[in-house]
Amino acid sequence: KNEVEQSPQNLTAQEGEFITINCSYSVGISALHWLQQHPGGGIVSLFMLSSGKKKHGRLIATINIQEKHSSLHITASHPRDSAVYICAAYGMDSNYQLIWGAGTKLIIKP
Amino acid sequence: DADVTQTPRNRITKTGKRIMLECSQTKGHDRMYWYRQDPGLGLRLIYYSFDVKDINKGEISDGYSVSRQAQAKFSLSLESAIPNQTALYFCATSRQGGGYTFGSGTRLTVV
Repeated sequence: KNEVEQSPQNLTAQEGEFITINCSYSVGISALHWLQQHPGGGIVSLFMLSSGKKKHGRLIATINIQEKHSSLHITASHPRDSAVYICAAYGMDSNYQLIWGAGTKLIIKP
Repeated sequence: DADVTQTPRNRITKTGKRIMLECSQTKGHDRMYWYRQDPGLGLRLIYYSFDVKDINKGEISDGYSVSRQAQAKFSLSLESAIPNQTALYFCATSRQGGGYTFGSGTRLTVV
């Protein structure tokens, strides 16, 4: 079992829909990263959070430390949101590297 | 200019050839990393460096070597490339406990 698991693996939705991507982890962490990988391959950091909630534009990330769970939400989704979304955790005993989820491939249809 | 620059962006090389992938950064971060990504799989850490005199193996270092020439430069070498090293390679930087910044990636094909 992977230490960081994402669901769903693949998600296809219509433009305008509210999107939720989930990330669960089984180890103690100091922080969690959400990243976006564009179809061209580039990776962009979206959020790093250790508690509560962060918002940037139409993107919202939440984390529940007790439940070891984080979610990434996209409001009013748009085709340009189509990408792979990856969560990665800073393990408590491995702050030199991230523990990576496998990613969620999101396709937003016009 | 990009904060983290990788060269080349694409490379096709023959089995047995030595190849170097270069990474330079303007973020001023002390930590640098090399990752490999295979289709359908997550990122896997090859090597990482916390400063110029610090080099550490990641989970898949066999067949690779690195050099941290300066705080801003971290290069990855494949001494004798083999086809299963065909992958997308990413360089990344960070501060301790901070967010990561990634390069645009190098798509390497070994034929």
